[in-house]
Amino acid sequence: AQSVAQPEDQVNVAEGNPLTVKCTYSVSGNPYLFWYVQYPNRGLQFLLKYITGDNLVKGSYGFEAEFNKSQTSFHLKKPSALVSDSALYFCAVRPPGDKIIFGKGTRLHILP
Amino acid sequence: GAGVSQSPRYKVAKRGQDVALRCDPISGHVSLFWYQQALGQGPEFLTYFQNEAQLDKSGLPSDRFFAERPEGSVSTLKIQRTQQEDSAVYLCASSLGAGSNEKLFFGSGTQLSVL
Repeated sequence: AQSVAQPEDQVNVAEGNPLTVKCTYSVSGNPYLFWYVQYPNRGLQFLLKYITGDNLVKGSYGFEAEFNKSQTSFHLKKPSALVSDSALYFCAVRPPGDKIIFGKGTRLHILP
Repeated sequence: GAGVSQSPRYKVAKRGQDVALRCDPISGHVSLFWYQQALGQGPEFLTYFQNEAQLDKSGLPSDRFFAERPEGSVSTLKIQRTQQEDSAVYLCASSLGAGSNEKLFFGSGTQLSVL
């Protein structure tokens, strides 16, 4: 069965420190990979996506993600966390021609 | 409009009642998706429209769930004879084209509570 795993329910990071939110997937073929962020009482917002090419993808708000094909991972990263980055983050994968599959989400807390 | 709009924002229904949830996608967006998000979970796919055609309804949990997009813009998700397990946030998303690599624009969702 195709799946997306976000192994951490919650990640706590001190402001100014680097952050990583992990994502691994198990799907057939070469899927497209996405990260979305959800702020309280708001809809999900697109952060970035990997289609092909450079394994390091840059997105909104200073976030980036690293695609690793051998480990089937797509971890979200930011060099220096801000308190305003505190939110719920969802990894998603979409096999070509198929429906998008979301992970369960990881709640990111940035501590002042 | 500027974004995807969903109404109502909150809906409380008595068990057995029918409900209708509305989604106004971004104007001109070809693709429209409905998702169900249970508390503490990621969005789960329900159904997908390309213009007015419902191309995938494999995620609809039962025949009590029905979705339509008759003119290729506004969509309605209808749930008949609601049950407590239907309580969730229902999210609508749209994308400009039909490609699998397109980013989705989400509405704020309708929170359905079935008592």
